[in-house]
Amino acid sequence: GQSLEQPSEVTAVEGAIVQINCTYQTSGFYGLSWYQQHDGGAPTFLSYNALDGLEETGRFSSFLSRSDSYGYLLLQELQMKDSASYFCAVKVYNTDKLIFGTGTRLQVFP
Amino acid sequence: GAVVSQHPSRVICKSGTSVKIECRSLDFQATTMFWYRQFPKKSLMLMATSNEGSKATYEQGVEKDKFLINHASLTLSTLTVTSAHPEDSSFYICSASTSGSAYEQYFGPGTRLTVT
Repeated sequence: GQSLEQPSEVTAVEGAIVQINCTYQTSGFYGLSWYQQHDGGAPTFLSYNALDGLEETGRFSSFLSRSDSYGYLLLQELQMKDSASYFCAVKVYNTDKLIFGTGTRLQVFP
Repeated sequence: GAVVSQHPSRVICKSGTSVKIECRSLDFQATTMFWYRQFPKKSLMLMATSNEGSKATYEQGVEKDKFLINHASLTLSTLTVTSAHPEDSSFYICSASTSGSAYEQYFGPGTRLTVT
């Protein structure tokens, strides 16, 4: 089976840097994705790691280490609008299915 | 590009009735569409995968007779919640992927179903 664990909640202040971790147990996957979801809204794609290492997209970066079964999303220069839920997800080998992590609720304070 | 719509955005129905939710890819052809269910402050739970013209593949524990999925074309999939009960109240989200997308899915805005 597949399982992806995330911290349930993270808090930070505007301008700070926050890291959201994702540890997984999965038999095989193509890569690790990250999605953002505001309350009542649709998940939106943020970042993807096919290979180990760091991927940077503006204020957001994502990291993957397959040997450690671990990844993270790094958010820099936090803004109030970054308050949302963040999910890691994997696309399972030989399927088109995305399996989502447990999700992390980020609250950014002034 | 890659816009997915859902209709309705909110629906309230009485217990025992059926509700149909539509998911459309507006500017691309979706080879595969997915249906998720999400409870408040919880993660997205995959219910089923549907490919155009074939039967949907349901995840373990999801009742196929309860949640009917029809993928009639490359731009439309429907989820019908039959004989709805209050425990079916939830946020239902669809997503779509294309044959060229190795990892990204495009999500609809979701449908809030409340069964009274």
